[in-house]
Amino acid sequence: SYVLTQPPSVSVAPGNTARISCEGEDIGPETVHWYRQRPDQAPVLVMYNDDARPSGIPDRFSGSRSGNTATLTITRVEAGDEADYYCQVWLSDSDPSYVFGTGTRFTVL
Amino acid sequence: QVLLVQSGPEVTKPGASVKVSCKASGDRLGTDYIHWVRQAPGQGLEWMARINPSNYDTHFAQKFQGRVTMAGGTFANTVYMELSRLTFDDTAMYYCTRSTSRDWSYFDVWGQGMQVTVSS
Repeated sequence: SYVLTQPPSVSVAPGNTARISCEGEDIGPETVHWYRQRPDQAPVLVMYNDDARPSGIPDRFSGSRSGNTATLTITRVEAGDEADYYCQVWLSDSDPSYVFGTGTRFTVL
Repeated sequence: QVLLVQSGPEVTKPGASVKVSCKASGDRLGTDYIHWVRQAPGQGLEWMARINPSNYDTHFAQKFQGRVTMAGGTFANTVYMELSRLTFDDTAMYYCTRSTSRDWSYFDVWGQGMQVTVSS
């Protein structure tokens, strides 16, 4: 099955910039979405269609895409950003057709 | 804004079935899709299946084909997912989540999750 690879962990000091990558073999024209999951909570959408931010998500969060690698960037990192982050794509020819990344544990130092 | 509310935790035995409910409040489901995503302890997210309650269109991950049944409709604004022939590996948090008919590729609203524990 299709795999989206993320770094297992990323750590950044408060106030600095964090970047979490998500790499797939051939994402093609499909877009990448990102979710934040705090401990013992349900995931929350933080970025969709590569670089669109849902309402309520601060502009410190941004997304980008270059070929088969997507990146979630968090500027001016705060303690409350600490969570697991997952990327996700929909692939019409894949099984399963909705694929999540391996997940990144983001720690604020 | 729709809110998804799921049923409470369940402990069940290997070989049994479990039924999970997901009720939408605050807005009607309309032509939205409801998906089921699970997360085993300490593991990542795994998509299982989806249903469009307005027309009962369903789609399954092949891994769960034959073990997952979904039901429900827009009248009651509630969707159900039943997972049968449970094994210990089915112990997980089960989430319902929504994607809209405008863009079904991502999940914008999530339920709080339902813990299913398979134990002998």
